[in-house]
Amino acid sequence: GENVEQHPSTLSVQEGDSAVIKCTYSDSASNYFPWYKQELGKRPQLIIDIRSNVGEKKDQRIAVTLNKTAKHFSLHITETQPEDSAVYFCAASILSGNKLVFGAGTILRVKS
Amino acid sequence: GAVVSQHPSRVICKSGTSVKIECRSLDFQATTMFWYRQFPKKSLMLMATSNEGSKATYEQGVEKDKFLINHASLTLSTLTVTSAHPEDSSFYICSARTAGPTGAFFGQGTRLTVV
Repeated sequence: GENVEQHPSTLSVQEGDSAVIKCTYSDSASNYFPWYKQELGKRPQLIIDIRSNVGEKKDQRIAVTLNKTAKHFSLHITETQPEDSAVYFCAASILSGNKLVFGAGTILRVKS
Repeated sequence: GAVVSQHPSRVICKSGTSVKIECRSLDFQATTMFWYRQFPKKSLMLMATSNEGSKATYEQGVEKDKFLINHASLTLSTLTVTSAHPEDSSFYICSARTAGPTGAFFGQGTRLTVV
């Protein structure tokens, strides 16, 4: 089955700097890659996603890139703010409507 | 985005009792619902996948007789933790997806404490 690896496990950045979180997946059939942000004790919130027919997607300060050949995708957050501090999870899905396989998560701390 | 409502948000129960957690999709029909368990500072561990009107598919290592899942309609799935023990204490989260390559939307989660 699918396996998703995520790095780093923790990331500390200075406010205003950029943060990059990387994930790799194992199943070349995966075609959907969402990113979730989870604050302590809260539900994961979908922040951005990308499908396999697209190489990059951007939404304000957040962008995701996908390299299908290498089977990896990354989350980029620019101009980080303290409220970006949270746990971020990447995920991969093989089929539409099928289960998401999550990475282990990255604790992002933005220091002001 | 789509709204998924999960209840209760917190529950404390005595060891040996059963607890039911509800997951509802409020503004869409969820063809598939998923139940996750999350330990502190850990990722989401998929427990089972449920499709409306059929039996749930459990992940390896998850006891189906202990974690009963019912997906009675396109908007409601329930997870019952039977004969709960302290080691079942955890954060349980449901998610729902629609047909098509869309994201999963999560419920608020249920903090279960078994004493």
